[in-house]
Amino acid sequence: ELKVEQNPLFLSMQEGKNYTIYCNYSTTSDRLYWYRQDPGKSLESLFVLLSNGAVKQEGRLMASLDTKARLSTLHITAAVHDLSATYFCAVDLSSNTGKLIFGQGTTLQVKP
Amino acid sequence: DTAVSQTPKYLVTQMGNDKSIKCEQNLGHDTMYWYKQDSKKFLKIMFSYNNKELIINETVPNRFSPKSPDKAHLNLHINSLELGDSAVYFCASSQAGGVTDTQYFGPGTRLTVL
Repeated sequence: ELKVEQNPLFLSMQEGKNYTIYCNYSTTSDRLYWYRQDPGKSLESLFVLLSNGAVKQEGRLMASLDTKARLSTLHITAAVHDLSATYFCAVDLSSNTGKLIFGQGTTLQVKP
Repeated sequence: DTAVSQTPKYLVTQMGNDKSIKCEQNLGHDTMYWYKQDSKKFLKIMFSYNNKELIINETVPNRFSPKSPDKAHLNLHINSLELGDSAVYFCASSQAGGVTDTQYFGPGTRLTVL
């Protein structure tokens, strides 16, 4: 059974600091996704990583994928309050069915 | 222009009742999904339809029955509601076989069973 584990599950940080969220998964996969969820809102797609060594960046967020280590990271650079949200990674078991297995989510709180 | 929409946004009902949640997408996608998010924010896939055909049917009580009248719509009917059904239900859609297969989520339906 595929397991997707994120750590930390909760992260409180000061504005301007850097930090990394880790996403480990237990079996091979075609692709990995990162989503953002604001409280009471829907999930917003941030990144999709399709191959080993893939790196995507958008603003202060950068995601990378190491398929050999079965690890993805979401790096936050110089955090700002607007980044406060819950971040989920999700692994696609099979690109034919789109069955996404989600991590537990990491709740990020950026303090001014 | 709402890409994936759900109705209702909130649903409060008594145990034992039957209720439905509707989902529509205007993205032209051929695959739609239902997810359940529990009180700890854990997201789990329930069902998926591709061109009106059921392709994912996870271990979900048979009180839950999805129906897809066409590829733009996927509804979820729940019979004999139980307290444990209280959660947020998200609909999503994607284009299977696309470059990324990114799933786009609806706003969610918060179901509260009293």
